[in-house]
Amino acid sequence: NAGVTQTPKFQVLKTGQSMTLQCAQDMNHEYMSWYRQDPGMGLRLIHYSVGAGITDQGEVPNGYNVSRSTTEDFPLRLLSAAPSQTSVYFCASSYLSGTYEQYFGPGTRLTVT
Amino acid sequence: AQSVTQLDSHVSVSEGTPVLLRCNYSSSYSPSLFWYVQHPNKGLQLLLKYTSAATLVKGINGFEAEFKKSETSFHLTKPSAHMSDAAEYFCVVSDQGYSTLTFGKGTMLLVSP
Repeated sequence: NAGVTQTPKFQVLKTGQSMTLQCAQDMNHEYMSWYRQDPGMGLRLIHYSVGAGITDQGEVPNGYNVSRSTTEDFPLRLLSAAPSQTSVYFCASSYLSGTYEQYFGPGTRLTVT
Repeated sequence: AQSVTQLDSHVSVSEGTPVLLRCNYSSSYSPSLFWYVQHPNKGLQLLLKYTSAATLVKGINGFEAEFKKSETSFHLTKPSAHMSDAAEYFCVVSDQGYSTLTFGKGTMLLVSP
């Protein structure tokens, strides 16, 4: 199993540009989520999904969109990038029942200039 | 509502000495608790998890944690630090019906020779 994969690993955007961060998992997990990590802040939840066609907002959703058309994929869209969105983004997945252990991707380091 | 407080932002130890990383949590329900480790420029790896079975939980690489409900604590310990333990450690709580995690702000463990 590849686990949770994320692309790209690094990205530089100019203010106002849009882009999509890709996330895929091959563990048949129902739950998928996006976090951003900023120094001294831990990880903060952006959006999450409990299944195909179902998404919801987390703690810091503004400026980001998500959709879930398949179990495997959960892309994160930045509609109009801002310097405040400079961060490291992690995708994670888990089963909906059991121990709630989440599996994390390797992260995408995004810089907005 | 759930929350987690990591009491130290940085902990410095010498190689071969014990490690103690402190975590207190707040939860309205019976929580699941986790410790994750993040090595520099890497993703997050699960060290150990508590899910209402044994209160003393053993994890990978010699780490363990004890769940103390009366103190609402879940401190991480290791008898003897190794240089490779230098990393950032996150205490995480989940008390939702599905997998919504709340992260602490992290503790950076520094290990000197």
